[in-house]
Amino acid sequence: GAGVSQSPSNKVTEKGKDVELRCDPISGHTALYWYRQSLGQGLEFLIYFQGNSAPDKSGLPSDRFSAERTGGSVSTLTIQRTQQEDSAVYLCASSRGRAGRNEQYFGPGTRLTVT
Amino acid sequence: KQEVTQIPAALSVPEGENLVLNCSFTDSAIYNLQWFRQDPGKGLTSLLLIQSSQREQTSGRLNASLDKSSGRSTLYIAASQPGDSATYLCALPNSGGSNYKLTFGKGTLLTVNP
Repeated sequence: GAGVSQSPSNKVTEKGKDVELRCDPISGHTALYWYRQSLGQGLEFLIYFQGNSAPDKSGLPSDRFSAERTGGSVSTLTIQRTQQEDSAVYLCASSRGRAGRNEQYFGPGTRLTVT
Repeated sequence: KQEVTQIPAALSVPEGENLVLNCSFTDSAIYNLQWFRQDPGKGLTSLLLIQSSQREQTSGRLNASLDKSSGRSTLYIAASQPGDSATYLCALPNSGGSNYKLTFGKGTLLTVNP
């Protein structure tokens, strides 16, 4: 079946603008994750959604970052007033349940460049 | 807090060679360990997932082992091919209630030369 999809694949934006990144998880996967991959920083956890439970937003780096998941499927990560340090690859993943027991499947990522 | 280290950071081998990539972790109370592959400019592809109760998993030319007591996992690639060139990452869920968060190593950049 189809894997995790993300859009856009690349996004170039000016400092101070808002951006929205989209993730479509694998059908039937209840858990959805956002990660960020920065040069020299490796992969870092941002946010986790599981079913109808309140999301874990503990990894979001500032209040300029927010995410929502509508209808338990598609998720949108929004970055307001972008800064140059937000430049990174944003990866979305999904799994059948909590990652503690289930494999996470990743999308191709969105490469964000803030000029 | 789980810390994950991958050695070496980069590896270059001739085609056909067997090779081993290493992953070490500090907290042995793990649920599982997952190996990923990342091609330049691409997302992560899951290669193997080893549950904490398992010692190894095999998929084709790949074999991953897990030794929880020593905090180590290895990824063995047999008869390497140029198409195996990529960055290989290992990742583990945090222990306890936040086991949905994966902690990643920084990866090993593998180059297989024809």
